[in-house]
Amino acid sequence: DQQVKQNSPSLSVQEGRISILNCDYTNSMFDYFLWYKKYPAEGPTFLISISSIKDKNEDGRFTVFLNKSAKHLSLHIVPSQPGDSAVYFCAASKETSGSRLTFGEGTQLTVNP
Amino acid sequence: KAGVTQTPRYLIKTRGQQVTLSCSPISGHRSVSWYQQTPGQGLQFLFEYFSETQRNKGNFPGRFSGRQFSNSRSEMNVSTLELGDSALYLCASSLVGTGFYNEQFFGPGTRLTVL
Repeated sequence: DQQVKQNSPSLSVQEGRISILNCDYTNSMFDYFLWYKKYPAEGPTFLISISSIKDKNEDGRFTVFLNKSAKHLSLHIVPSQPGDSAVYFCAASKETSGSRLTFGEGTQLTVNP
Repeated sequence: KAGVTQTPRYLIKTRGQQVTLSCSPISGHRSVSWYQQTPGQGLQFLFEYFSETQRNKGNFPGRFSGRQFSNSRSEMNVSTLELGDSALYLCASSLVGTGFYNEQFFGPGTRLTVL
């Protein structure tokens, strides 16, 4: 039962353009969502998060949008840089589960110079 | 501030053996969670420890166990290893102060290979 899904295993964009990574979830009890970035041989690094009471959160080049009715969130990276090339994981949690995160399968982003 | 450290970084075991992995959280962090990452299943939650007590548990068999010490350091143990246990095991720590929604910081992981 995959409660968090990232349907695109890979995404390739040109440097300077926008990268849009998508994530869908099925459990309506999730109320907090996070994006992590992972380089090979390293652990995931926290990028940005959003609470279910918001529909947008912005941090520099990174913006996360949440559409609760569609159970969909997306991560926008503008402008994309070659150093952004990594695997991006979407994760969700619910207040009753403490620190437990449910992750999507990840999307490999490649930003071409 | 030092990050989350995990030892060892790489481990090779044979079927039937047992293994213990160690995680030292960021100083001051009281919650430690463990995750298993495999190519087919992605990142799967194993369990979480807070103040030496298991607070959450994922859907893994009883062969997977853990504990947390008074200094918040944590260990996980896998007994009777199976080939399918080959994975990257990640540890994450968080502050867990006044609320649940604390950013989790991950260590580099321990790569376990079972032959």
